[in-house]
Amino acid sequence: GAVVSQHPSRVICKSGTSVKIECRSLDFQATTMFWYRQFPKQSLMLMATSNEGSKATYEQGVEKDKFLINHASLTLSTLTVTSAHPEDSSFYICSVAYEGRITEAFFGQGTRLTVV
Amino acid sequence: GQNIDQPTEMTATEGAIVQINCTYQTSGFNGLFWYQQHAGEAPTFLSYNVLDGLEEKGRFSSFLSRSKGYSYLLLKELQMKDSASYLCAVRDSNYQLIWGAGTKLIIKP
Repeated sequence: GAVVSQHPSRVICKSGTSVKIECRSLDFQATTMFWYRQFPKQSLMLMATSNEGSKATYEQGVEKDKFLINHASLTLSTLTVTSAHPEDSSFYICSVAYEGRITEAFFGQGTRLTVV
Repeated sequence: GQNIDQPTEMTATEGAIVQINCTYQTSGFNGLFWYQQHAGEAPTFLSYNVLDGLEEKGRFSSFLSRSKGYSYLLLKELQMKDSASYLCAVRDSNYQLIWGAGTKLIIKP
């Protein structure tokens, strides 16, 4: 069964509006979650590392005021795309690292965001 | 900088064998992962290598040579459902995953 649940799977919004994407860890508590963005035919690009109870760590070039991350509990992290523009249209994926033997990354189903 | 290279696209025939190569240059090494990603979906875990050698898991095998900065994913008895992108990712010294751009595998009947 799913380890990580991401919602919504698809969203279409108008330019200038905000969109919230939720990422839930179902099977275990996650102190750290990761948010990625993937443009068509390109690699996964890490946007930020979400830490429970503290501020997220953003990668270089990612605007923290535009991509708001909240990790208020051990099972939920949210990414809010504020004042969305068409160039924000992308596939957003969250992941959780399970600290087992492999420290495998489990991914949410992804969110296809289209800004019109 | 950190870099992971893999072919953009490969084509193979149903029932055949295909090898997808991955070379990497990263700041440290703490394991190499292969993921499968179908279009519009999130990646799913296939394999993990941290020591040199071959790891076999059913129809899929993954090989690692740390001295050469090289890995391959071997898919046997190809099925149409294997048509997908295959992503190579390396965990660096900071335990951050560095992703390749993916290899789109096209399976023909």
